[in-house]
Amino acid sequence: NAGVMQNPRHLVRRRGQEARLRCSPMKGHSHVYWYRQLPEEGLKFMVYLQKENIIDESGMPKERFSAEFPKEGPSILRIQQVVRGDSAAYFCASSPRDRYNEQFFGPGTRLTVL
Amino acid sequence: ELKVEQNPLFLSMQEGKNYTIYCNYSTTSDRLYWYRQDPGKSLESLFVLLSNGAVKQEGRLMASLDTKARLSTLHITAAVHDLSATYFCAVGNIGGGTSGTYKYIFGTGTRLKVLA
Repeated sequence: NAGVMQNPRHLVRRRGQEARLRCSPMKGHSHVYWYRQLPEEGLKFMVYLQKENIIDESGMPKERFSAEFPKEGPSILRIQQVVRGDSAAYFCASSPRDRYNEQFFGPGTRLTVL
Repeated sequence: ELKVEQNPLFLSMQEGKNYTIYCNYSTTSDRLYWYRQDPGKSLESLFVLLSNGAVKQEGRLMASLDTKARLSTLHITAAVHDLSATYFCAVGNIGGGTSGTYKYIFGTGTRLKVLA
């Protein structure tokens, strides 16, 4: 059973460009979570999605950031008009339906904004 | 505001020594996770603690959970250089029971360096 997959692993963008980060959950997992890790810090929750639904986006910045998990295909975290402060590692995690199930983390996408 | 605090933030220790990392959290939870992260890498799951009094051991690492004190510990026995990494605790099911949240709240991390 393949683990959580994220791509790209590294992404470089110039200020003002758009960044699209993709996450494919583990097979059989219907819950996806995005976390951001700034340099030298812990992971911070951004958003929790189920198929076609955003359940909790309390950690998402109000502007420029959006997330989706369509019926088919990977979950996408989209950052519009990136700024240098968006440079971070973005981790996706997935879990089966139940809230008690452990989340499994992907390898992360490291975004660098020049 | 929910807080998950780890201490120490930095730990430099000699090989062969023992030490404990502490993880305190400020709200009700019955799920506590420990992870290891090497520089530039993802998270490696170490322990999943699911109930008050839970204790788990793997090699030189042992983790415990006291939900009443809202405290988890990660104990390192006879440290070796290969344990050098950053260790995170994460609190899940915040609020507890069947109405807790799904998201994890991570601690600040403890950067461990084991000196040969």
